[in-house]
Amino acid sequence: QVQLVQSGSELKKPGASVKVSCKASGYTFTKFSINWVRQAPGQGLEWLGRINTNTGNPTYAQGLTGRRFVFSLDTSVNTAYLQISSLKTEDTAVFFCVRPMAQRLNTFEYWGLGTLVTVSS
Amino acid sequence: QSVLTQPPSVSGAPGQRVTISCTGSSSNFGANYDVQWYQQLPGKGPKLLIYDNTNRPSGVPDRFSASKSGTSASLAISGLQTEDEADYYCQSYDNILSGSVFGGGTKLTVL
Repeated sequence: QVQLVQSGSELKKPGASVKVSCKASGYTFTKFSINWVRQAPGQGLEWLGRINTNTGNPTYAQGLTGRRFVFSLDTSVNTAYLQISSLKTEDTAVFFCVRPMAQRLNTFEYWGLGTLVTVSS
Repeated sequence: QSVLTQPPSVSGAPGQRVTISCTGSSSNFGANYDVQWYQQLPGKGPKLLIYDNTNRPSGVPDRFSASKSGTSASLAISGLQTEDEADYYCQSYDNILSGSVFGGGTKLTVL
């Protein structure tokens, strides 16, 4: 069965960086993109973008300013990564990796359990 | 402010029927992009409830139904159960933003 296993919670200071991992299993990793979705405390869902796991090409949501958010892959271990640099307190959120449904790029069928990133001094 | 607009909250008694609206625009629903609905139980990750406007993934009870017309969509839940108490999100693609967009979410309270 499809599983997306995310790395554990992180506590970081402002200005630091964090790298969240998402290890996929139960399907051919390179056949489906991986999306990243953010949920700030008590807030709604926000799509951050996706990475094409076949080409490595990322697509970032227009709302993401600068290049603080970077998607990457290690296809040898079926894992996607979200790296956030120059962390700000407002980056505190749960980050979900998500796999779409077959042949439906924008239908989010499988979700990881989420990784809580807390940014605090 | 979300591209897709949902009411912040709705409520209903067990056994009743409730609907949750989701209003979009010409760059998403009006451009014929499909709507999806997700259920997020307290403390859990979202779960796909409806895809392609009206379709239920296997395992989703037929108490959940949805529709889309023009620039609006709605999710209906009939025979409300206490376990339906959750946050519900609509989602689609927007061709101005060139990406997926979510509604702000609606908290369903089962009285």
